[in-house]
Amino acid sequence: EVQLLESGGGLVQPGESLRLSCAVPGLTSSTYDMSWVRQAPGKGLEWVSSLSGGGRSTYYADSVKGRFTISRDDSKNTLYLQMNSLRAEDTAVYYCARGGVAHFWYFDLWGRGTLVTFSS
Amino acid sequence: EIVMTQSPATLSVSPGERATLSCRASQSITSHLAWYQHKPGQAPRILIYGASSRATGIPARFSGSGSGTEFTLTISSLQSEDFAVYYCQQYSNWPLTFGGGTKVEIK
Repeated sequence: EVQLLESGGGLVQPGESLRLSCAVPGLTSSTYDMSWVRQAPGKGLEWVSSLSGGGRSTYYADSVKGRFTISRDDSKNTLYLQMNSLRAEDTAVYYCARGGVAHFWYFDLWGRGTLVTFSS
Repeated sequence: EIVMTQSPATLSVSPGERATLSCRASQSITSHLAWYQHKPGQAPRILIYGASSRATGIPARFSGSGSGTEFTLTISSLQSEDFAVYYCQQYSNWPLTFGGGTKVEIK
């Protein structure tokens, strides 16, 4: 069974940076569109960012635009989310998710998430 | 931005009963709608895409319907493993947006 595995979460201070990683079996095929989705404590799912297969197109939620960067290294089967200038409201579980067939932007496979929290 | 509104926020259902969840889009999304099931501590799981197509491995008791702005997820006979939070998501326009979720709980 294919699984996605996120890592890199942790405890941060406002203004700091963090890089999340997601191991994606088969990413070397470069056909998968990939995304990050987050869930703040007690809240619902919120789309964060997406990257098309081949890496030509990137998309960001307004709340993270200019601070977060999505990228991929197909040779390492890994998706990344570089998060800079972190804010308390970025506290969440971050999930990576694989795009659907025919490049439709639903998510047909998700990881279990990695938690980003802020120290007080 | 397309706003997705789910109702009800919480649905109390007895095992074996039918559950009907609603999702409304603030503008037409044709059939570009997906439904997900999410349990605490687990990865979300896709149930339905294209408003009515069941994802691989999803039991037939889950069905989706609707188009345009009004959508429904029906669970024909609730099993114990179906108690969870359900989200709809539109993928017609950027930004991609989710509904606020419906929690299906045991009555």
